[in-house]
Amino acid sequence: QAVVTQEPSLTVSPGGTVTLTCASSTGTVTSGHYPYWFQQKPGQAPRTLIYETSNKYSWTPARFSGSLLGGKAALTLSGAQPEDEAEYYCFLSYGGVRPVFGGGTKLTVL
Amino acid sequence: EVQLVESGGGLVQPGGSLRLSCAASGFTFSNYWMHWVRQAPGKGLVWVSRINSDGSSTNYADSVKGRFTISRDNAKNTLYLQMNSLGAEDTAVYYCVRGGPVDYWGQGTLVTVSS
Repeated sequence: QAVVTQEPSLTVSPGGTVTLTCASSTGTVTSGHYPYWFQQKPGQAPRTLIYETSNKYSWTPARFSGSLLGGKAALTLSGAQPEDEAEYYCFLSYGGVRPVFGGGTKLTVL
Repeated sequence: EVQLVESGGGLVQPGGSLRLSCAASGFTFSNYWMHWVRQAPGKGLVWVSRINSDGSSTNYADSVKGRFTISRDNAKNTLYLQMNSLGAEDTAVYYCVRGGPVDYWGQGTLVTVSS
């Protein structure tokens, strides 16, 4: 089974910009992996932020954006807010059969 | 308003069985794929299983294949996860998630496998 790797932790200053990445053990991440990004705050269920690389939902704050960057999926937060402090998970699909989550990135806004 | 409400979690002994349910409302349940995702205490998210809209196609993570069965009753707007031969490694919060694309999550139900 493929392994999906994320940065264990990142820190961003309020108002700053940070990019979280999502790598696949099988090689380059492409749009065919249909990358997703989820946000989870302590004690809450996850919330979907980005689907299929870069698409947003109505509830996704505009400061979040998804892309492919350097062979990885990426989530960029521009203008970080204190409420963005959370765990972020990516999710890749392999052949449309058994999707795999990354280990998560703990984002601190400090 | 889309709602997904899981139930059926609880304490079960190793080797035991449990059936989780997810009651869906606020959308046409029969039009959507559905997933189960779990999260062990203090750990990350793990995809468990998914089922297509009419229940004719299912997929499982290797860790649960042969022990868990996903199913649905579109007439009752309910998703199920039958879990057999449970072990301590199955202790987790189990989330019901709407798919195609993945968007809404339930609040989860806690399954604890312990003697």
